[in-house]
Amino acid sequence: GDSVTQMEGPVTLSEEAFLTINCTYTATGYPSLFWYVQYPGEGLQLLLKATKADDKGSNKGFEATYRKETTSFHLEKGSVQVSDSAVYFCALSDRNQGGKLIFGQGTELSVKP
Amino acid sequence: DTEVTQTPKHLVMGMTNKKSLKCEQHMGHRAMYWYKQKAKKPPELMFVYSYEKLSINESVPSRFSPECPNSSLLNLHLHALQPEDSALYLCASSYLVYNEQFFGPGTRLTVL
Repeated sequence: GDSVTQMEGPVTLSEEAFLTINCTYTATGYPSLFWYVQYPGEGLQLLLKATKADDKGSNKGFEATYRKETTSFHLEKGSVQVSDSAVYFCALSDRNQGGKLIFGQGTELSVKP
Repeated sequence: DTEVTQTPKHLVMGMTNKKSLKCEQHMGHRAMYWYKQKAKKPPELMFVYSYEKLSINESVPSRFSPECPNSSLLNLHLHALQPEDSALYLCASSYLVYNEQFFGPGTRLTVL
């Protein structure tokens, strides 16, 4: 079945460092890909999305490109801030799955001043 | 209005109580979802409603009973829960079942 694999955390960075969180997926169809962010004590927020190969999603300085050839959707940000500290979830949705979001295990990011 | 609201924010209940969680959206979305999330884990899908009809039940115990009274509202009725049911319960909605989902802030449930 479909699955998503994320790099394990926690990831600790200094402010203004470059961020990469790796995400790879396995899917039988043509999935849409998402990054969600969860701040402490809150629900999930959609950070960015890509619906087809080579699409680049971007929001709040974060970017991810849908790479079909490597089945990847890595999250990047050029300069992280303390306020980016949160848990990041990579997820996919496949039309064949009836609306189920398949999540990765989540990567906890801690940014130190 | 571009948000999903959930009430209550926190709920503490005994194992013999009956309570309900409520979720509301006014974005015109036709799909709504219930998830359960344990600490430091991804959300686990419980139920999917599409056009107010239950389309997915992920083998959830019968002590959880969903209800979709109309296209904007989703309830989760709780009865005879166990302590291991303590978790964050998240509601989400999407325009259609394969579109991006928008999550509410969740209800933090504690079962004593």
